[in-house]
Amino acid sequence: DAGVIQSPRHEVTEMGQEVTLRCKPISGHNSLFWYRQTMMRGLELLIYFNNNVPIDDSGMPEDRFSAKMPNASFSTLKIQPSEPRDSAVYFCASKRQENTEAFFGQGTRLTVV
Amino acid sequence: GEDVEQSLFLSVREGDSSVINCTYTDSSSTYLYWYKQEPGAGLQLLTYIFSNMDMKQDQRLTVLLNKKDKHLSLRIADTQTGDSAIYFCARARDTDKLIFGTGTRLQVFP
Repeated sequence: DAGVIQSPRHEVTEMGQEVTLRCKPISGHNSLFWYRQTMMRGLELLIYFNNNVPIDDSGMPEDRFSAKMPNASFSTLKIQPSEPRDSAVYFCASKRQENTEAFFGQGTRLTVV
Repeated sequence: GEDVEQSLFLSVREGDSSVINCTYTDSSSTYLYWYKQEPGAGLQLLTYIFSNMDMKQDQRLTVLLNKKDKHLSLRIADTQTGDSAIYFCARARDTDKLIFGTGTRLQVFP
């Protein structure tokens, strides 16, 4: 298995633009997590899904952020409009719901200028 | 609360032991984890411990859990330069979401 695949690896965008980050979880994993990593705040859980259903989105910072999981093999995190303070590394992780180990993707480094 | 706290930096000499500490506030945490993040990479699970255990050893890694004090530690024996990375402590209730600490940057010097 190729592991959790995120795209793009790097994204540079101008303030106000829409940004879409993509994630393909490991096949057979039914839990998916989106995290944001910054120097100031460390790793923050934004939202997670079980069986494609959002379970906890309390970490989503604002209405500008939205996440979807239309099927078991794909999820998106969208920021509209983007702001410079959204600059961070965004990680997607997946696991089998009943298991303990979560597998992380390589992350998307987002820079909003 | 959901706070998981770690010291930010640790510097050790190659060959020495490293001890990375973590405290958490949620006493209902069932699983406690240590993840490693190398530069430019995602997080990799190193080891985890159930809350009903007080120690787990895996090769050079020893995890100690003091449930009463809600304190977790990771000891790396014979630390190597390849161990230089950021180490994250994380907790979870049952098998749901992981809550991470701020991470400890371990630097190993010759």
